[in-house]
Amino acid sequence: GAVVSQHPSRVICKSGTSVKIECRSLDFQATTMFWYRQFPKKSLMLMATSNEGSKATYEQGVEKDKFLINHASLTLSTLTVTSAHPEDSSFYICSAREVGQGSPEAFFGQGTRLTVV
Amino acid sequence: GEDVEQSLFLSVREGDSSVINCTYTDSSSTYLYWYKQEPGAGLQLLTYIFSNMDMKQDQRLTVLLNKKDKHLSLRIADTQTGDSAIYFCAESKGNFNKFYFGSGTKLNVKP
Repeated sequence: GAVVSQHPSRVICKSGTSVKIECRSLDFQATTMFWYRQFPKKSLMLMATSNEGSKATYEQGVEKDKFLINHASLTLSTLTVTSAHPEDSSFYICSAREVGQGSPEAFFGQGTRLTVV
Repeated sequence: GEDVEQSLFLSVREGDSSVINCTYTDSSSTYLYWYKQEPGAGLQLLTYIFSNMDMKQDQRLTVLLNKKDKHLSLRIADTQTGDSAIYFCAESKGNFNKFYFGSGTKLNVKP
C-alpha cells in the first residue's frame, strides 16, 4: 500500500513554544490529508481536514489558531501546535488519500508523540 | 450521528479464533474498516467492506456485516501472539473524506 510518513515520531517541548509536525505522502499525491489526535487509551479524534492550496477545515471545538495547518503541496501537510501547553500532550496522527483513487482506503502515518513540559 | 462503539478488551489463547465486535449508528455509512494499531505506532489498514456486502474474507481475516443491526465483526482465525494490538473499526461516508473511529478493542493473545 501507499506510504505516509510523519516527522518527528517523538518530540518534547517546553510550554509556550511551538512545534511543527510534518506529514508526507511518499509515493502518491494527496489532495486531502487529515489530522487526528489520540488521547491515551482513547479513540482517534478528527481535528481537521487539510486541503492542498486552500484553508483547512476544522472540526467543531478545535482551535484553528492553536493548531495551524498548512498543505502547501500534494505530498506535504504540516500541523503546528502554537504556544503549546501540557494539555496539548498527545499522539497526533495524519492520514492521506490518493488523488483520483477510486479505492476508499486512507493511509496513516506512524504518529507523533508530543510531550509538553 | 456517527457513534461507533466497541468492547474495550478481548483475551484469547494462541491458536484460537478471535472475534471483535463493533456497532455503529449511521446507516448512511458507505464503507466500514478495520485498522490495527501496535504500541506507539500508527494505524495499519487490515481490511474494509462496502456497506452493501455481507461478508469479506482475506486469509485469516473474516469480516461480517449485518447492516440491519448495524453490527460489524472481525474474526481472526488461528490467532497468533503477533496479533496482540488494538483494533479499531471505523466508518466513512460520502466521498470518504471523514472517518469515524470506535474506541478500539485491545486484543491480548496468551501463549
